[in-house]
Amino acid sequence: EPEVTQTPSHQVTQMGQEVILRCVPISNHLYFYWYRQILGQKVEFLVSFYNNEISEKSEIFDDQFSVERPDGSNFTLKIRSTKLEDSAMYFCASSPGGLSTDTQYFGPGTRLTVL
Amino acid sequence: GDSVTQMEGPVTLSEEAFLTINCTYTATGYPSLFWYVQYPGEGLQLLLKATKADDKGSNKGFEATYRKETTSFHLEKGSVQVSDSAVYFCALTLRGGYQKVTFGTGTKLQVIP
Repeated sequence: EPEVTQTPSHQVTQMGQEVILRCVPISNHLYFYWYRQILGQKVEFLVSFYNNEISEKSEIFDDQFSVERPDGSNFTLKIRSTKLEDSAMYFCASSPGGLSTDTQYFGPGTRLTVL
Repeated sequence: GDSVTQMEGPVTLSEEAFLTINCTYTATGYPSLFWYVQYPGEGLQLLLKATKADDKGSNKGFEATYRKETTSFHLEKGSVQVSDSAVYFCALTLRGGYQKVTFGTGTKLQVIP
């Protein structure tokens, strides 16, 4: 069964450093998303991406964040200058077009630790 | 705005006990409803879904019925197993194109032998 994959599974970085989290969505899906889950808290929406542009972003997704689909298979989340409060599990998700658009399939997550 | 409220955890049950995890929602439109499960150390897996009123989603012995009149989507299982120990998230998304998933806070279930 096709699945969303994410790399790395765990990333440790120093405050102020740039990080890039990578995702490979399910191959025929058209909509892509990033979410995060701070330890012990609920999963929060960051951004949605369709047709090579951002469709919606939350207030969390400020100028320090960016997303890109560089090559038709990968979908990346970049944090330009990490803060301690960026430490969280980051989930990528994708959904197909058409009638099944509402069902999102999540990857296993990347745990980001900012020191 | 849209929101999901689910019962506080953790919930501790003995194996073969009956499980109910309550979930209610508030939505501006006509949402699709989901239960996701997160096993220890793993990501979010779709457990079941329902897209319209009175639909029943089911998977792996779990069931939930979309109740529009009570804005609820309670998760049930008749006989839980130790392997069901996980965190369960109720969630919704509005229909149409790219719509974010709004999650509840999650309910941790621990099943003891």
